[in-house]
Amino acid sequence: KQEVTQIPAALSVPEGENLVLNCSFTDSAIYNLQWFRQDPGKGLTSLLLIQSSQREQTSGRLNASLDKSSGRSTLYIAASQPGDSATYLCAVRPSNFGNEKLTFGTGTRLTIIP
Amino acid sequence: DTGVSQDPRHKITKRGQNVTFRCDPISEHNRLYWYRQTLGQGPEFLTYFQNEAQLEKSRLLSDRFSAERPKGSFSTLEIQRTEQGDSAMYLCASSLDFYGYTFGSGTRLTVV
Repeated sequence: KQEVTQIPAALSVPEGENLVLNCSFTDSAIYNLQWFRQDPGKGLTSLLLIQSSQREQTSGRLNASLDKSSGRSTLYIAASQPGDSATYLCAVRPSNFGNEKLTFGTGTRLTIIP
Repeated sequence: DTGVSQDPRHKITKRGQNVTFRCDPISEHNRLYWYRQTLGQGPEFLTYFQNEAQLEKSRLLSDRFSAERPKGSFSTLEIQRTEQGDSAMYLCASSLDFYGYTFGSGTRLTVV
């Protein structure tokens, strides 16, 4: 059974700092990995999608990497801003045909201090 | 493309009542998913549709839960005889084949 872990559970950093969020998964047989952002009481906003054959994806100040063999992904946020404060979730999609379930981590709650 | 829409945004109901939620996916997406999220946890899979066919249901989806996607367009999730343990955020998502998911804003259910 796939398990996804995100460490730390919460993180506070001063505005302007670069930071890294971690995601690890136990079963490397994944099709892709997706990072989401969730504001309090809201739905999920997709940030980056990495296919299993890719090593990284970039969007603006965000960069996500994937090391499938070691079961790890990181989300790098450059020059953090107060608006980046949210919970960040990673989710993996299995590679076996017909299995559509995403398995999520419990998230990292990020607070950017002005 | 207005994204995935969910209605209502919030629902407060008394224990024992039935509730129904609606999800309108992105029009060209053929897959539709329902997830449930409780406070401090990641979303958990409930069920998914490919076009109008419901292909998988989680064990979390008890007999009191039913989902439909008539004509492969919008979907409804109904909970009968609600219990306090049903209080959660119900999230709908859609995707085109094996690409990434797009989630809606969710329906927050409170059972009192």
